[in-house]
Amino acid sequence: QKEVEQNSGPLSVPEGAIASLNCTYSDRGSQSFFWYRQYSGKSPELIMSIYSNGDKEDGRFTAQLNKASQYVSLLIRDSQPSDSATYLCAVRPLSGGSYIPTFGRGTSLIVHP
Amino acid sequence: DAGVIQSPRHEVTEMGQEVTLRCKPISGHNSLFWYRQTMMRGLELLIYFNNNVPIDDSGMPEDRFSAKMPNASFSTLKIQPSEPRDSAVYFCASSPIAQETQYFGPGTRLLVL
Repeated sequence: QKEVEQNSGPLSVPEGAIASLNCTYSDRGSQSFFWYRQYSGKSPELIMSIYSNGDKEDGRFTAQLNKASQYVSLLIRDSQPSDSATYLCAVRPLSGGSYIPTFGRGTSLIVHP
Repeated sequence: DAGVIQSPRHEVTEMGQEVTLRCKPISGHNSLFWYRQTMMRGLELLIYFNNNVPIDDSGMPEDRFSAKMPNASFSTLKIQPSEPRDSAVYFCASSPIAQETQYFGPGTRLLVL
């Protein structure tokens, strides 16, 4: 059974700090990795995707992937109160063209002024 | 462009009643996904369609749940009869066939009394 694990949190960081969110996955055949942000009462929205080992930066967000360790993380630099949300990690295999993702249960992030 | 449209946004019903949730995917998207989200289980994939054809319904909880996609612009998720444990937020998402990014609708909050 494919599993995606995240610490449920909440992770509390002060404004301006770096928030580090972590995700581990069990399926070694996974090829695509996504981070979604979900505000309370809203739907998930994609903020980052990463497909190869290493870092991928987009503004204040950096996704890090280590396939050997089956680990993907999201760093948020200069955290703002508006970043307070639940962050969902999603992992998708590429075998047979499958589009079926597995989502983690999410980590709640609180950025306090 | 309009995003994924879901209706109703909120539904309150009594146990035993039939519930029908509706989804209009983004025009041109060929993959459609139905998810259920609860605090206890997180975001669960129920079923997904590719070119209007159900590809994987292994996430459908039981025979009380059924989903259809009669054309490229409309899908329904039906629960009959509904039970209190079906109370959750149901999301519909769509994606272009050649890509992996999913775009989520606003969700339907279902409460079964």
